[in-house]
Amino acid sequence: TQLLEQSPQFLSIQEGENLTVYCNSSSVFSSLQWYRQEPGEGPVLLVTVVTGGEVKKLKRLTFQFGDARKDSSLHITAAQPGDTGLYLCAGSRYALNFGKGTSLLVTP
Amino acid sequence: NAGVTQTPKFQVLKTGQSMTLQCAQDMNHNSMYWYRQDPGMGLRLIYYSASEGTTDKGEVPNGYNVSRLNKREFSLRLESAAPSQTSVYFCASGGGGPSFYSNQPQHFGDGTRLSIL
Repeated sequence: TQLLEQSPQFLSIQEGENLTVYCNSSSVFSSLQWYRQEPGEGPVLLVTVVTGGEVKKLKRLTFQFGDARKDSSLHITAAQPGDTGLYLCAGSRYALNFGKGTSLLVTP
Repeated sequence: NAGVTQTPKFQVLKTGQSMTLQCAQDMNHNSMYWYRQDPGMGLRLIYYSASEGTTDKGEVPNGYNVSRLNKREFSLRLESAAPSQTSVYFCASGGGGPSFYSNQPQHFGDGTRLSIL
């Protein structure tokens, strides 16, 4: 059973465009983490959000945790080719549950 | 900075063979984890160790055993490999901070790509 559903599954955009990736669940999480994974490498932690309604910014990336702590979104402003990768959300209950990821391709 | 180091990086086994995947972290983290990543399935937790001397099953533990040798090292053993265990295996560590959330997986190794024929 997949606790976390990520959408879209794939996204191909041009440099300079904005995009939003969603992470949804029917379960409540005590925290939610976002990772980025590049081919041949392990996931790299980008951010942890713990409070309902929390918004965190990391340069051009904006992360939001839903008020009910069941969902989250990642917004990228003015995407760059260096943003290309697999974006994974993971929710914390008694252990960390991962979504299947959103594969993002940003072309010049 | 080494972070989390996994060995080997690649391995091909025949069905029924056994092997141990090694993982070491140099960040003095309390928690360590083993995940497998399969296409279309995402990352699934096999086993984890909240602290030295303790291990617990995750979502998909069947066919695997683990050993938390010391605070730095956490190994994963396949006793009798099966084709269904073909996957990319990731070790992760977390902890060292005051909050519960810092004990979640924060640093991942680069993975072991395992093929079982």
